Amino acid sequence: DGGITQSPKYLFRKEGQNVTLSCEQNLNHDAMYWYRQDPGQGLRLIYYSQIVNDFQKGDIAEGYSVSREKKESFPLTVTSAQKNPTAFYLCASSSGQGRQYEQYFGPGTRLTVT
Amino acid sequence: GNSVTQMEGPVTLSEEAFLTINCTYTATGYPSLFWYVQYPGEGLQLLLKATKADDKGSNKGFEATYRKETTSFHLEKGSVQVSDSAVYFCALDTGRRALTFGSGTRLQVQP
Repeated sequence: DGGITQSPKYLFRKEGQNVTLSCEQNLNHDAMYWYRQDPGQGLRLIYYSQIVNDFQKGDIAEGYSVSREKKESFPLTVTSAQKNPTAFYLCASSSGQGRQYEQYFGPGTRLTVT
Repeated sequence: GNSVTQMEGPVTLSEEAFLTINCTYTATGYPSLFWYVQYPGEGLQLLLKATKADDKGSNKGFEATYRKETTSFHLEKGSVQVSDSAVYFCALDTGRRALTFGSGTRLQVQP
């Protein structure tokens, strides 16, 4: 089955530690995205990548970093510089970037930092 | 910049009631418009979309029409079921970067 996997589903970390969230897709999609969701709010764009070895900052990139070394993978690192990292993180992908391309979402990772 | 405004929830309805969730947008250019649904603890699923003015997107009994003159994309369903209980997000894509989402509307359907 084609799709997007995110692991783990729940992640707990102590303040001051970096943590990496996994996102893998086997849809052969070129574009991948990371969003953050806070309770009662919509999704906000953290980073996106249109192609391997290239990525762009979204609206709330501070305190986050990404890499795109393989087409299938787009891991997100939440660094200790992120002031309020506890949130639900969603990864998405699309076959291209443009208004005609639909985004497909993974199941999400809920990160709790204490 | 681009923005999406949705009616605040929660919206509480009895089973078989008519549903409307309002969505209006501001965008440069000619965006595509989407409705996504999120069930508890899960990611988002595309419910329906429309790519140009006067297009009607439909799926699973839900409908929304792209109204350029009123910059709206309201979601409707004639008869809701308990299984429709979820959070619904309106979103737009101008093709320049990524989706812009509304804040979401929680729908609760009571038996």
